[in-house]
Amino acid sequence: GENVEQHPSTLSVQEGDSAVIKCTYSDSASNYFPWYKQELGKRPQLIIDIRSNVGEKKDQRIAVTLNKTAKHFSLHITETQPEDSAVYFCAASRTGGGADGLTFGKGTHLIIQP
Amino acid sequence: DAGVIQSPRHEVTEMGQEVTLRCKPISGHDYLFWYRQTMMRGLELLIYFNNNVPIDDSGMPEDRFSAKMPNASFSTLKIQPSEPRDSAVYFCASSPSGGREQFFGPGTRLTVL
Repeated sequence: GENVEQHPSTLSVQEGDSAVIKCTYSDSASNYFPWYKQELGKRPQLIIDIRSNVGEKKDQRIAVTLNKTAKHFSLHITETQPEDSAVYFCAASRTGGGADGLTFGKGTHLIIQP
Repeated sequence: DAGVIQSPRHEVTEMGQEVTLRCKPISGHDYLFWYRQTMMRGLELLIYFNNNVPIDDSGMPEDRFSAKMPNASFSTLKIQPSEPRDSAVYFCASSPSGGREQFFGPGTRLTVL
């Protein structure tokens, strides 16, 4: 089955700096890669996703890049703000998220230092 | 829309007891997923349904776990008998056909003493 590795497990950055979280996956058939944000005690919520026919996708301060050849994808957050502090999970699936179970990475605890 | 509804929000039980977790998906969503979250193992898919039919239950840890979806508006996850290692947050999520996002419920925090 699919295996998703995520690094780092904890990331501390100064407010205003950029943060990068990286994930690798094992199943070459995976073609959908979402990122979820989970605040303490809350549910995971989708923040951005990318399909395998796209190399990069951006939404305001958040961007995701995908390298299918190397089987890795990354989340980039620019101009970090205190409200970005949370745990971020990458995930992968074969059929597109809605119609398939997701395999999640172990999560990255992002800490924004004031 | 009320979103995905889960009950109870917190459950504390003793080892050996039966536990039933409940989920009401968003109306019109054809897919329903059960996930478990622990510090050690992260978020794991347990089972998912499409149009009330179980599609993949390979993530169900053992025979003590069972899940049903008797209709489009309701699903249960049952653990019998419960063990301390079952302590976790159990999330239910749903999504519509053709959709990408899975919408998570608030979760049920289960503690087995």
